[in-house]
Amino acid sequence: RKEVEQDPGPFNVPEGATVAFNCTYSNSASQSFFWYRQDCRKEPKLLMSVYSSGNEDGRFTAQLNRASQYISLLIRDSKLSDSATYLCVVNVGISGGGADGLTFGKGTHLIIQP
Amino acid sequence: DADVTQTPRNRITKTGKRIMLECSQTKGHDRMYWYRQDPGLGLRLIYYSFDVKDINKGEISDGYSVSRQAQAKFSLSLESAIPNQTALYFCATSDHTPDWGTDTQYFGPGTRLTVL
Repeated sequence: RKEVEQDPGPFNVPEGATVAFNCTYSNSASQSFFWYRQDCRKEPKLLMSVYSSGNEDGRFTAQLNRASQYISLLIRDSKLSDSATYLCVVNVGISGGGADGLTFGKGTHLIIQP
Repeated sequence: DADVTQTPRNRITKTGKRIMLECSQTKGHDRMYWYRQDPGLGLRLIYYSFDVKDINKGEISDGYSVSRQAQAKFSLSLESAIPNQTALYFCATSDHTPDWGTDTQYFGPGTRLTVL
């Protein structure tokens, strides 16, 4: 089983719609969770961290379900500029015995259509 | 000016050649990383360094070496390049937090390397 799994998509969504995608992780000792955004041929950039209680940043909402080992990202009122690849990122941290960097999912490709 | 820079941005080389990719940062971060990204495989960690005297292997270090010349500089070398090292290479930095796992990583713009 892969450590971090995402549906690669593409998700084709009309502008203004709400879209959500999930990411599952295999290591129950995982401690930190993030969503990064990567535009075509560009570097990944942090979109938001994911907190246990769930968190919101404008049109973006992230949630964590530790029992089922998945995180989710919800985008409301989608914009054309939201078109990108969204990378799910998990880290077990030092106390979890993993000091080998973040583990990245392969990404979910989102296309917002006018 | 960009906080994390990589040189070169694009490079085409031949099998067996030695090549060095360089990364510099002005963020003042102690921690630096090298990743490669391949279509369908995502980002994978090659090496990371928590300070100038600390170097650690990542998931896929074979065929690579690194040098941390200073806090701001972390270079990646391919001693004898092979075609399956063709990929997009990213350098990243992060600041120290009590739990390393919560660091935000800041990526450079990437180096597109082609080995013929």
